[in-house]
Amino acid sequence: EAQVTQNPRYLITVTGKKLTVTCSQNMNHEYMSWYRQDPGLGLRQIYYSMNVEVTDKGDVPEGYKVSRKEKRNFPLILESPSPNQTSLYFCASRGGAGGYTEAFFGQGTRLTVV
Amino acid sequence: SQQGEEDPQALSIQEGENATMNCSYKTSINNLQWYRQNSGRGLVHLILIRSNEREKHSGRLRVTLDTSKKSSSLLITASRAADTASYFCATPPNNNDMRFGAGTRLTVKP
Repeated sequence: EAQVTQNPRYLITVTGKKLTVTCSQNMNHEYMSWYRQDPGLGLRQIYYSMNVEVTDKGDVPEGYKVSRKEKRNFPLILESPSPNQTSLYFCASRGGAGGYTEAFFGQGTRLTVV
Repeated sequence: SQQGEEDPQALSIQEGENATMNCSYKTSINNLQWYRQNSGRGLVHLILIRSNEREKHSGRLRVTLDTSKKSSSLLITASRAADTASYFCATPPNNNDMRFGAGTRLTVKP
């Protein structure tokens, strides 16, 4: 079954404690992205990757890091989380160039930073 | 910056009525996509319309695209309570990533 898997689904952490949210897709997709969703603000892109070792900033990259060492995995790293990073996070992937492909989303990670 | 902007922000209708949501965008596109999100869940792709198409149908969904006005609309006919969700339009402006608007929250009352 084609899917994007995020872990964990829920996470409560304290300010400053480094954390990683994992994302894995089994569709051999080139493109992967991270989004955060906050009430009234919709989905805002954090980082995206066009292929292995190729990443670029989205609209709200501050405070986040990503890496793409393997095609299937695209972890999101918060080196020093702060309360304003409390949000619902989604990973998405899509294949092919030209933009004529649909995005597949993970089930989301609800992060709370206290 | 957001590429697509949906309107209205919220829409409440009775079961059986039609629901229309609009999307405006800023730059040229080669396609526009609509997605649905059930509360707190990941988005699910509904339909893609190419820039050379004016209208597309899929079941009870009808999408139109007006590239001269940089706008699109999603019509859900004969709505059901199960259609209650948020709906987003998305565009890949640079063919490298995809940006979404804030969404329209649709409530269908039984």
